[in-house]
Amino acid sequence: GEDVEQSLFLSVREGDSSVINCTYTDSSSTYLYWYKQEPGAGLQLLTYIFSNMDMKQDQRLTVLLNKKDKHLSLRIADTQTGDSAIYFCAESINQAGTALIFGKGTTLSVSS
Amino acid sequence: DSGVTQTPKHLITATGQRVTLRCSPRSGDLSVYWYQQSLDQGLQFLIQYYNGEERAKGNILERFSAQQFPDLHSELNLSSLELGDSALYFCASSNMGSPYGYTFGSGTRLTVV
Repeated sequence: GEDVEQSLFLSVREGDSSVINCTYTDSSSTYLYWYKQEPGAGLQLLTYIFSNMDMKQDQRLTVLLNKKDKHLSLRIADTQTGDSAIYFCAESINQAGTALIFGKGTTLSVSS
Repeated sequence: DSGVTQTPKHLITATGQRVTLRCSPRSGDLSVYWYQQSLDQGLQFLIQYYNGEERAKGNILERFSAQQFPDLHSELNLSSLELGDSALYFCASSNMGSPYGYTFGSGTRLTVV
């Protein structure tokens, strides 16, 4: 079945880079996504990558996709305390239309 | 404001009861998705509706049901509630086929006591 795995916690110092990793199972996923959830809020789309791309950069965010290993990563450059949140990786499951399957989320803690 | 409206924000009810959660999608979005977020299970996909029709089903219990109305708002009905149903319930909407993923509402926190 479909499964998306993420490490649960990451702690970094302000100004450092953060790298959040994710593995997924469905090789037919068309898009892969990163969402951010701040306390008491819903999930907010951060960025997405099409499955035929290896990398996508968007300001401080860099997404790397390794289709062979089914590995997705999100790098946040110059991490700020405001980046503290839960980050979810998600894959689209074609068999379910556009339904997304999410990982359990990585809690990023940024200390000053 | 994401454009997806969920009501109520908080709900406290007793075991065995039935509740209805409501979601209004973002203007122009035809698809509505329901997710359950709990500490141990993460974000679980429950069900998807597209333009009034059920499109996909995930890990939705038989005690739970949903529908999407002609005005595109959706309701998630949870019955015979158990303590383990306590969770955050999120609704999301999308423009079918869009690569931009979903837009999420801020959720309904359900506490079953």
